[in-house]
Amino acid sequence: DAGVTQSPTHLIKTRGQQVTLRCSPKSGHDTVSWYQQALGQGPQFIFQYYEEEERQRGNFPDRFSGHQFPNYSSELNVNALLLGDSALYLCASSSAQRSLAETQYFGPGTRLLVL
Amino acid sequence: QKEVEQDPGPLSVPEGAIVSLNCTYSNSAFQYFMWYRQYSRKGPELLMYTYSSGNKEDGRFTAQVDKSSKYISLFIRDSQPSDSATYLCAMTDGINTDKLIFGTGTRLQVFP
Repeated sequence: DAGVTQSPTHLIKTRGQQVTLRCSPKSGHDTVSWYQQALGQGPQFIFQYYEEEERQRGNFPDRFSGHQFPNYSSELNVNALLLGDSALYLCASSSAQRSLAETQYFGPGTRLLVL
Repeated sequence: QKEVEQDPGPLSVPEGAIVSLNCTYSNSAFQYFMWYRQYSRKGPELLMYTYSSGNKEDGRFTAQVDKSSKYISLFIRDSQPSDSATYLCAMTDGINTDKLIFGTGTRLQVFP
């Protein structure tokens, strides 16, 4: 059983560019959350998708947007990249049928470097 | 003030030692408390979760929650070099359960 998978593993972009990160949830999971983890910091919640809609959003600007597909996979898009967007982007999947605390699984992350 | 405070370490201990990792928080609405382990260049892995106050034990790991003090702990007994990682505490209020609030993580190194 594959866990949460993310692609690409690493990415280098320049300021002002746009980036799309992808996530496939663990089998049986229907909810995807995205987190940003800066170096030496804990993950910060960006937003969550369930039933192809954004269900909750953290304190991130509109440059961060997402999408969930009918197969529950998800994309994170970041426009007009800033140097400060350099971070590890983590996808976490869970089941809406059970407590988040019990079932949230994280992927390995995509490491984004903005030059 | 951050909602969740965690000493970033690093914490260096000899193999076999008992390790104590701690977090404090300010939001009394938090009800679910979790500990994640994150190896270098990997995603966080859920170690333990606790609902409300009390203790929970799983093998060499014990999680404690003291809601009256807004203080949570993770104890690792008989620490091993393979326990060397960053340990993140996380919590949520049980209403907006979709959003985990993390500490900064404590880097632990267990040397042989």
